[in-house]
Amino acid sequence: GAVVSQHPSWVICKSGTSVKIECRSLDFQATTMFWYRQFPKQSLMLMATSNEGSKATYEQGVEKDKFLINHASLTLSTLTVTSAHPEDSSFYICSARDKSAGNYGYTFGSGTRLTVV
Amino acid sequence: AQSVTQLGSHVSVSEGALVLLRCNYSSSVPPYLFWYVQYPNQGLQLLLKYTSAATLVKGINGFEAEFKKSETSFHLTKPSAHMSDAAEYFCAVIRGGATNKLIFGTGTLLAVQP
Repeated sequence: GAVVSQHPSWVICKSGTSVKIECRSLDFQATTMFWYRQFPKQSLMLMATSNEGSKATYEQGVEKDKFLINHASLTLSTLTVTSAHPEDSSFYICSARDKSAGNYGYTFGSGTRLTVV
Repeated sequence: AQSVTQLGSHVSVSEGALVLLRCNYSSSVPPYLFWYVQYPNQGLQLLLKYTSAATLVKGINGFEAEFKKSETSFHLTKPSAHMSDAAEYFCAVIRGGATNKLIFGTGTLLAVQP
């Protein structure tokens, strides 16, 4: 089945530094990737949608200069948290839509636990 | 806009008992609905999805859900709970448009008591 590899699975960084999270579709082409943020014991909140080769579309209230998304190829999307602060600490999850599965084949990465100290 | 509401943030059942997790949707067009399971510190695994075919959808691990238009519901059930079913469960709906975003409910934490 479709697999999405997300790295790193956890990261600790100092306040003010930047962190990059990668999401790769291993055996399918992902025309669209989604990035979610999940606070403890809460639901997944959609942050942005990225299409290969074009700029990401951010949800209302999400700072695009803070959360940089790049979708350079059909198998790779990255989320960079710039100048991270403790309030950015969260669980980030990517999701890729499998083109061959039609519009409803969503596969999720295993998530990245970000802790900013 | 399409949305889903999950009633009950916590549900506790005994091992072997029926599992019922509730999800109601709001949509002006025929919705596409999903149930996902999440184990601690992991991503989401698809249990099942409804895409306007059969109203009774069977998924993995013995779960199933029934789409009821009259009740705008898509409740998840399993006849007999297993300890390994303890996890967080999310109902989701596609919010239409060019990119078909997947929007999640608030989640239900299922506890299974021995």
